[in-house]
Amino acid sequence: DADVTQTPRNRITKTGKRIMLECSQTKGHDRMYWYRQDPGLGLRLIYYSFDVKDINKGEISDGYSVSRQAQAKFSLSLESAIPNQTALYFCATSDLGGLAEGGQFFGPGTRLTVL
Amino acid sequence: GNSVTQMEGPVTLSEEAFLTINCTYTATGYPSLFWYVQYPGEGLQLLLKATKADDKGSNKGFEATYRKETTSFHLEKGSVQVSDSAVYFCALSVWGGGADGLTFGKGTHLIIQP
Repeated sequence: DADVTQTPRNRITKTGKRIMLECSQTKGHDRMYWYRQDPGLGLRLIYYSFDVKDINKGEISDGYSVSRQAQAKFSLSLESAIPNQTALYFCATSDLGGLAEGGQFFGPGTRLTVL
Repeated sequence: GNSVTQMEGPVTLSEEAFLTINCTYTATGYPSLFWYVQYPGEGLQLLLKATKADDKGSNKGFEATYRKETTSFHLEKGSVQVSDSAVYFCALSVWGGGADGLTFGKGTHLIIQP
């Protein structure tokens, strides 16, 4: 079984709809992250969480919100989707020393299309 | 702030050719450096890392050396294979730098032809 899973893997929605992307991990890591990937722009950090009580904005948090329901679950919401939120979204995890020593572990991604 | 600049692609090579993908960075503090690889339709996988100056990371025939004096972390492989075709991302993190997460370059698409 995959260590970091994301659901759904693909989603097509319309402008103005509310969308939730979910991420679960079995690695036992405290830290979880949401990134978006756009062609030619690489990955950009949306939100990150150190634990269930600690949520932080990343580089591009406007238009997004998150919920850390448990250590293993971190959801990303688009309250009112717009077309420029069409992208590939990745969830990632790391442990306390992970960023310095081992980097992050990524899920398979969710491809979101907003029409 | 932190930033990563890597050569733009696509980079097209023949099988068994020598590969170099350039990566330079700017960072506040003392960064750890990473190369990630993304195969078609998949998420990112950590390829190699280096956590301090002059460290050499290596994996699957790929190598990169942390050069503090030139703020570089170039990825090299002596003989590429078709299966190396993927997008490669250079990234950094700064421990204790305040903001968390990785700072990525824009990615380099590598295409290896038989």
